[in-house]
Amino acid sequence: EAGVAQSPRYKIIEKRQSVAFWCNPISGHATLYWYQQILGQGPKLLIQFQNNGVVDDSQLPKDRFSAERLKGVDSTLKIQPAKLEDSAVYLCASSATGTGGISGANVLTFGAGSRLTVL
Amino acid sequence: GDSVTQMEGPVTLSEEAFLTINCTYTATGYPSLFWYVQYPGEGLQLLLKATKADDKGSNKGFEATYRKETTSFHLEKGSVQVSDSAVYFCAFGTSYGKLTFGQGTILTVHP
Repeated sequence: EAGVAQSPRYKIIEKRQSVAFWCNPISGHATLYWYQQILGQGPKLLIQFQNNGVVDDSQLPKDRFSAERLKGVDSTLKIQPAKLEDSAVYLCASSATGTGGISGANVLTFGAGSRLTVL
Repeated sequence: GDSVTQMEGPVTLSEEAFLTINCTYTATGYPSLFWYVQYPGEGLQLLLKATKADDKGSNKGFEATYRKETTSFHLEKGSVQVSDSAVYFCAFGTSYGKLTFGQGTILTVHP
């Protein structure tokens, strides 16, 4: 099966500019996640969608970050305006099992990531 | 709050050496536990998982046992290879599906 597709792979912008990342999950996967991975740290969840509804966006900086998942398939993550500390790899993941899975045993499949550098 | 603590890295070993990467967690309830691996230039991949106490996950010669009494899920391999050089992440999952990750441990294996 095709994996999780993300684009662009790399993006360099000036601070205060805007950027958008796109993700296409594995076909049929109901749940989609966006993670932020800062260099030297583990991935941190930004937002989780179940179909086209938001399950968890508690760690999304809503003053500058936004995400949508129209029609419950692909998703876009936007940053506007970007700050220096937003430099990171943005990972998209999907899973077949939605909320209520058995003790969280559902496996996430990750895309290759989009590396953002803010100058 | 919920968190995962991994052994500080980086770890440098010679080929065929024994590997242990420690992982402990703090979580509500009884989460599932995972090890993910990130090879150079690639995305995160599931290495192994365990869903309940005393379960042992294994894959590619790696093993980890879910120890509820010590809230640990240490990763081990008896004989590492150069191709095992990567970043290893411990994580736990909840019934809401999301994963909480540790900070990662860089492993470098020399011939």
